Amino acid sequence: DAGVIQSPRHEVTEMGQEVTLRCKPISGHDYLFWYRQTMMRGLELLIYFNNNVPIDDSGMPEDRFSAKMPNASFSTLKIQPSEPRDSAVYFCASSSSPTSYEQYFGPGTRLTVT
Amino acid sequence: AQRVTQPEKLLSVFKGAPVELKCNYSYSGSPELFWYVQYSRQRLQLLLRHISRESIKGFTADLNKGETSFHLKKPFAQEEDSAMYYCALSAPSNMLTFGGGTRLMVKP
Repeated sequence: DAGVIQSPRHEVTEMGQEVTLRCKPISGHDYLFWYRQTMMRGLELLIYFNNNVPIDDSGMPEDRFSAKMPNASFSTLKIQPSEPRDSAVYFCASSSSPTSYEQYFGPGTRLTVT
Repeated sequence: AQRVTQPEKLLSVFKGAPVELKCNYSYSGSPELFWYVQYSRQRLQLLLRHISRESIKGFTADLNKGETSFHLKKPFAQEEDSAMYYCALSAPSNMLTFGGGTRLMVKP
């Protein structure tokens, strides 16, 4: 298994543009998490899914952010419109049953909004 | 609500010196605590969990419920220990709450 896969690895875009980040969890994992990492705030949970259903999106900063999980092997995080303050590294992670607390992280997408 | 605090953003030590990365938490229930590590250009990965009471790469962490702490310790730091370390607390819903992270730099 290649682990959690994220694309793109780097994204540079201009303010106001739409950005879509993609994640493929580890096969068989039924939990998927989106995190944002910044120097100032560390690692923040944005949203997580269980069996493709969003369970908690209280960490999503504002309406410009949205996340979907159309099937068990794919999730997207979309920012529309993007702003410079959205610049960060976005991580996707997956885990298996509720009794397994280890989360497996993807390599992250470094987003720069100019 | 749960909260994890790592008071030091940066910790710099010399090779061979003892290292302690501090972590304090607040949680009303019975906590499950973890340390995750991110080496340069690598993925964030689990280092150890308190329920295992294990030593990984020479690191140990003891849960102190009285002081609500879960400090990460190593008696002799190595240069390859240089990384970003995150303390995390797990709630029953399988969510992890991470601290702000501490960057450990081990100087030769």
